[in-house]
This record gives sequence, structure tokens and C-alpha cells, in this order.
Amino acid sequence: NAGVTQTPKFRVLKTGQSMTLLCAQDMNHEYMYWYRQDPGMGLRLIHYSVGEGTTAKGEVPDGYNVSRLKKQNFLLGLESAAPSQTSVYFCASSYSTMNTEAFFGQGTRLTVV
Amino acid sequence: SQKIEQNSEALNIQEGKTATLTCNYTNYSPAYLQWYRQDPGRGPVFLLLIRENEKEKRKERLKVTFDTTLKQSLFHITASQPADSATYLCALDKEKGGKLIFGQGTELSVKP
Repeated sequence: NAGVTQTPKFRVLKTGQSMTLLCAQDMNHEYMYWYRQDPGMGLRLIHYSVGEGTTAKGEVPDGYNVSRLKKQNFLLGLESAAPSQTSVYFCASSYSTMNTEAFFGQGTRLTVV
Repeated sequence: SQKIEQNSEALNIQEGKTATLTCNYTNYSPAYLQWYRQDPGRGPVFLLLIRENEKEKRKERLKVTFDTTLKQSLFHITASQPADSATYLCALDKEKGGKLIFGQGTELSVKP
């Protein structure tokens, strides 16, 4: 059972480049989340989804877009990368947010130069 | 504004002692609160969940309390071990149906 898998694990981008981070879960979870984690800032919610075909903004959505075309996948896109988007990105999923735990991926370390 | 705050300073304790970590929140009325453990270079791992109508929850050496009047949760690790050294995060559902929000975490170091 793979759980939550993030692709890629590491990436270096030049300012202005675009990329997509992929998150896949095999637990049939309804809810999926994208977070970024920076030193001293904890986990900050970028976007989340409460089901296939739905997305919603989190705390820090600017500069990112997401899509949830299939229940098992949640994609995070950076249209024009900026150095301020250098961070570790975590994807998570849960059956719901009511009384259930979230499962996290191993993270993607992104550096924008 | 709405906030979740945890001890910003690292907590250093001696092996065998009880570690107590604090999570305070303002302007929320969460249905539940969760605690996670995060090791360096890894994603957070779920530990415990406590509901708004529960005062205390236990799991082996872990104990969580939830005071909705004080808007505070305490996380205790009894008989602490060096293997308990990690960052501990609290989380709650901001809008009772979607936004799972985390505190910044408290780093715990247990010395032998």
C-alpha cells in the first residue's frame, strides 16, 4: 500500500519557469491538500480539494493553481516560478476532515533560482 | 485574526521526564484538534485526535487535553525517550469542513 506519493522529490527551477507537482493517493480519500513548509513558518495550506472536480483556496494560494480531475490525483502548478516559492511542498489526503487523520507524502524540495 | 500558536522555542528535557507541549488558538471553534509528529526530511505522521466534547485522550505514553474555554490543547509524553525527539504539530479544521490548518510546531529534544 503506497499511501500518498509525491513526484518529483527534488527540483530546481529558474525564475519564470513553470512546473507541476503530482500527488497520488491510493486510499480512496475524498479530501486532498497541498501545503508548503518554510523554516519557522510551519505548514501553510495552499489549496485543498473536498472531492473529485472541486478545489478551494487555502491560506497562501497566490502564484499556484491546482486541479483534481481524478479522485486519486491532486496536481499543484506553478505558472511562473519565483524565488519566494522556494520551499518544501507536502501533499496530504484524508477520508474527510471530520474526525479523521491526514496522511502525508514524503515532500518535494523545490528551489527557484 | 485567526491563529494557531505553539511554543516557538525548542523544548529540551531529560529522558524519563514528562514533556508537555502547548497549542493555543484564537477565533476558532474547531470540532476537533489533531497532533502530528514530524521527523527531519519527512512528512508529518498522525498521533492523536481529540474532539470538542472530549476533555482528555490517551494512547500509550501520549496524552492530549482539550479545553475549548481556554482555547488550548496540551500534549504530554510521559517517560520520554530519546526516540521521542522530533517536531510536534497541532492541527485543526478551520471551517468544520475543509481547511486543515497547522501550528508552526514545537521541536522536542530528549537527552539521555
